[in-house]
Amino acid sequence: DAKTTQPPSMDCAEGRAANLPCNHSTISGNEYVYWYRQIHSQGPQYIIHGLKNNETNEMASLIITEDRKSSTLILPHATLRDTAVYYCIVRVGTDSWGKLQFGAGTQVVVTP
Amino acid sequence: GAVVSQHPSWVICKSGTSVKIECRSLDFQATTMFWYRQFPKQSLMLMATSNEGSKATYEQGVEKDKFLINHASLTLSTLTVTSAHPEDSSFYICSARDTSGVYNEQFFGPGTRLTVL
Repeated sequence: DAKTTQPPSMDCAEGRAANLPCNHSTISGNEYVYWYRQIHSQGPQYIIHGLKNNETNEMASLIITEDRKSSTLILPHATLRDTAVYYCIVRVGTDSWGKLQFGAGTQVVVTP
Repeated sequence: GAVVSQHPSWVICKSGTSVKIECRSLDFQATTMFWYRQFPKQSLMLMATSNEGSKATYEQGVEKDKFLINHASLTLSTLTVTSAHPEDSSFYICSARDTSGVYNEQFFGPGTRLTVL
């Protein structure tokens, strides 16, 4: 199973874009990259996922490198409510809805 | 997005007692649900996969006789912590996946904080 590496923490100024990196150098061809976030004492919240193309939704953008060994989650205009732990996960298994294994994640703190 | 609820949101119990936690998918059917545990300042740890109508699959190191899982319907899975001890105090979170194919992600419940005295 592919593992992910994320920086333990990062700060971001309110209103600025937050770029969260993730390395997944051992990812397999059929594994997706998922991003979740967890606000303190709440359940994780789905953000976005992708296979090899860049993806965008109302919450964020996901940029996946051509070799798929790394990706970047972009929060275009960070707000104080975006303060959370962000998890980059490579989905386990060949099943489309395989179980998710969480790593340590990145603690993002958005400051005024 | 789809909603997953958990009940109770928090519970305090005495050592040696059993505690049941419910996980419900409110607006979709879920043949598969997952149970996680999270200790303070740590990441989520997958405990088991709950499949409707069959036995749960436990992760390595998780005692199946201590953490009983029942997935009796397409919208409900329960986790029972039997003979709870203080070291079982944790944040328990469930997730469910929509089997209709409408959604492409798992949905997580808000979590249940268990404190064993």
